[in-house]
Amino acid sequence: AQTVTQSQPEMSVQEAETVTLSCTYDTSESDYYLFWYKQPPSRQMILVIRQEAYKQQNATENRFSVNFQKAAKSFSLKISDSQLGDAAMYFCAYRSTRRGGYQKVTFGTGTKLQVIP
Amino acid sequence: EAQVTQNPRYLITVTGKKLTVTCSQNMNHEYMSWYRQDPGLGLRQIYYSMNVEVTDKGDVPEGYKVSRKEKRNFPLILESPSPNQTSLYFCASSLTPMNTEAFFGQGTRLTVV
Repeated sequence: AQTVTQSQPEMSVQEAETVTLSCTYDTSESDYYLFWYKQPPSRQMILVIRQEAYKQQNATENRFSVNFQKAAKSFSLKISDSQLGDAAMYFCAYRSTRRGGYQKVTFGTGTKLQVIP
Repeated sequence: EAQVTQNPRYLITVTGKKLTVTCSQNMNHEYMSWYRQDPGLGLRQIYYSMNVEVTDKGDVPEGYKVSRKEKRNFPLILESPSPNQTSLYFCASSLTPMNTEAFFGQGTRLTVV
């Protein structure tokens, strides 16, 4: 069974600085998807970025980028030029790509990010 | 506007009183699922549905039921709620089981006393 571990329950960053959130996972599969979701105080789950395991290039979305290390099973999220609106809970998630069957999604326990003005 | 709509947003109920949380999506998505979110545990999948009349258990299905009679609707039923089902619940949908993009509802905060 896949597991996703976020070892930092809380993090803080100064506004305009850069912060990196950690995520590790365990799987025996070779092809899968990884995601970072943001959950602001409104509780809405918002997809921040996704990475396909067969792609070596790290995904980037504006100020958000990932450092995907497949061999190490590590998937960290880097937020550059942090803004007050980035304050939220961040969840790392893993999704199997097994065809014809259940596409299980496993979430980590989350990292609460505080942005200090 | 593409969205997943859950109702109600907040609910306080008593132990044993049957309740239903509705979920509806307007994107013609095949795949829908329910999660519960608890502090320190992240999101855990309760049930999922790969299409109409096709449902199956997730990681924590005990005490819950679902049905998928129409493509757009996927209600979550608690036949006899207990205090350990107090949680934040999310419905999510995606175009197909293979699709990576998941759209989440706004969440339902359930308290069972």
